[in-house]
Amino acid sequence: KNQVEQSPQSLIILEGKNCTLQCNYTVSPFSNLRWYKQDTGRGPVSLTIMTFSENTKSNGRYTATLDADTKQSSLHITASQLSDSASYICVVSGDSANQAGTALIFGKGTTLSVSS
Amino acid sequence: KAGVTQTPRYLIKTRGQQVTLSCSPISGHRSVSWYQQTPGQGLQFLFEYFSETQRNKGNFPGRFSGRQFSNSRSEMNVSTLELGDSALYLCASSWTGGFGETQYFGPGTRLLVL
Repeated sequence: KNQVEQSPQSLIILEGKNCTLQCNYTVSPFSNLRWYKQDTGRGPVSLTIMTFSENTKSNGRYTATLDADTKQSSLHITASQLSDSASYICVVSGDSANQAGTALIFGKGTTLSVSS
Repeated sequence: KAGVTQTPRYLIKTRGQQVTLSCSPISGHRSVSWYQQTPGQGLQFLFEYFSETQRNKGNFPGRFSGRQFSNSRSEMNVSTLELGDSALYLCASSWTGGFGETQYFGPGTRLLVL
């Protein structure tokens, strides 16, 4: 069964600290993996899209890694800010010919709270 | 350039009623996808429309339907509402919905079914 599991479910860190969010998937065949940030009351915003051949991708203070062999991805946030408080959702696409279709499998997200 | 807009933002209905939600994509985007988000199930894909045709469909009952107009605006309809349909309904647009494309989400319509 195609599944995307994220951990931890929630996380509280102090402002300025780093943190890493995990995403494990069993989706096959794999096409790409996306990380979204969703602020409370707003729609998700894309952070990164990673394909099979990409191991690391950065977007400012956000760095995503992908190990297609172990089917694991992580999102590392450096020097956290209060504005990083949000839900982070991992999405895996499992069919290269069907990018926005039934093969999009979502994790349930990690809720990050950054406190001062 | 304006982002994805959704109307209405909030909606309260009773069981058995039907509801229509609207989504206007970013200008030039031809792909519109719809998602349901609930605390228990997270984000789930409903369907995607491209050039007025439903291209992909998620695992939802037939009570959920949609359509897309020639200007790429899309509507989603839910008939015979159930309590479990209470959720945030998000739509997202992209140029073609193709490989590796970024989707841009609207703010969502929050539906409460009583």
